[in-house]
Amino acid sequence: QLQLQESGPGLVKPSETLSLTCTVSGDSISTSSSYYWSWIRQPPGKGLEWVGNIYYSGSTHYNPSLKSRVTISVDTSKNQFSLKLSSVTAADTAVYYCARLRNSALYDFDYWGQGTLVTVSS
Amino acid sequence: QTVVTQEPSFSVSPGGTVTLTCGLSSDSVSTTHYPTWYQQTPGQAPRTLIYSTNSRSSGVPDRFSGSILGKKAALTITGAQADDESDYYCVLYLGGGMVFGGGTKLTVL
Repeated sequence: QLQLQESGPGLVKPSETLSLTCTVSGDSISTSSSYYWSWIRQPPGKGLEWVGNIYYSGSTHYNPSLKSRVTISVDTSKNQFSLKLSSVTAADTAVYYCARLRNSALYDFDYWGQGTLVTVSS
Repeated sequence: QTVVTQEPSFSVSPGGTVTLTCGLSSDSVSTTHYPTWYQQTPGQAPRTLIYSTNSRSSGVPDRFSGSILGKKAALTITGAQADDESDYYCVLYLGGGMVFGGGTKLTVL
């Protein structure tokens, strides 16, 4: 059974960089050519927002509204992928989910982590 | 940036039928946008109901169905039950990225 688990600081100061890691178990990122690995966020009481995807090869797609501040990377040796969001403000406070996105004309986030709340505050 | 539109809220009576829609601010939704529908209850991660317009995810009751209605994607719940009271999100594949709608809060009463 595939499982994803987010980890990282729950509190980040304004103007600093938010860093999260998603650890994947039950499947290997490096052999999963049918999937992208994604980050999605949800501000408290609000809707979902796609942040970006990474393929096992390292190719990425980012939300245009966040592109200038986002970096997603993959470490296949650790079966992890990571999110960095720079110059954060209170508007970046959200539950951050990592998820697997099926490609091959399906485009379904079929597995999700439990989510981790990141608060931006001094 | 293209906006994906959903009704902010909807209400249905137990046993009733409701259709939630997912539109685009500047275009019609088609199967090439691979509309996917998620259900989210408080404190939980979303779960897939319908993917690729009308394919039901494993374990999802057949009272949930997806389609294209006119210019929008649609999620129909036939015979609504109390535990269908949730937030529902659609997401579309647009230009290499994914765009979520704002979500619909469904009340069953």
